[in-house]
Amino acid sequence: AQSVSQHNHHVILSEAASLELGCNYSYGGTVNLFWYVQYPGQHLQLLLKYFSGDPLVKGIKGFEAEFIKSKFSFNLRKPSVQWSDTAEYFCAVKSSSWGKLQFGAGTQVVVTP
Amino acid sequence: DAEITQSPRHKITETGRQVTLACHQTWNHNNMFWYRQDLGHGLRLIHYSYGVQDTNKGEVSDGYSVSRSNTEDLPLTLESAASSQTSVYFCASSGLAGGTDTQYFGPGTRLTVL
Repeated sequence: AQSVSQHNHHVILSEAASLELGCNYSYGGTVNLFWYVQYPGQHLQLLLKYFSGDPLVKGIKGFEAEFIKSKFSFNLRKPSVQWSDTAEYFCAVKSSSWGKLQFGAGTQVVVTP
Repeated sequence: DAEITQSPRHKITETGRQVTLACHQTWNHNNMFWYRQDLGHGLRLIHYSYGVQDTNKGEVSDGYSVSRSNTEDLPLTLESAASSQTSVYFCASSGLAGGTDTQYFGPGTRLTVL
């Protein structure tokens, strides 16, 4: 079955630490990849997306993600987190074969001052 | 600015009652989607529509229905609410044919079924 896996459900780290969130998917063929963020009490917002081209994608607020096709991965990174990055992060994948957006279970990130 | 709104933002209802959640977008998007968000499951697709009079079932459609009579609105109806339908519901929309592009999300409706 097609699936999207996020490796960590909860991450706690200090301000200025580096963040990397894993995302793997099981689809074959062409995929579109997304990272969304949900700040406490707010709706989902798009952080970044990959459709084609350079596999290193830069998004808003200093986030970036790298698409590694051979590993079916799209990991999210930020070199130095801030308290305001406390949120839940969702990886989502749309494959050409299924055509719908499928979400991972999400990773709750807590940044401590 | 274009936006997508949902109402109500919070709803408490009883088992067996019919409930309708509203979604309205001013993006003029053809594609609209309903998801539910539950701990440990992320967002799961309930129903979606690619245009007026078009509706399709998602992966968790049992007990839900939608109708699309105009471009702006896609109301979600729970025919007979069950406690298992307690969740946060998000509406989303996108513009390109077949829903291939970025989806924009509404603020969500927190539904509690007692």
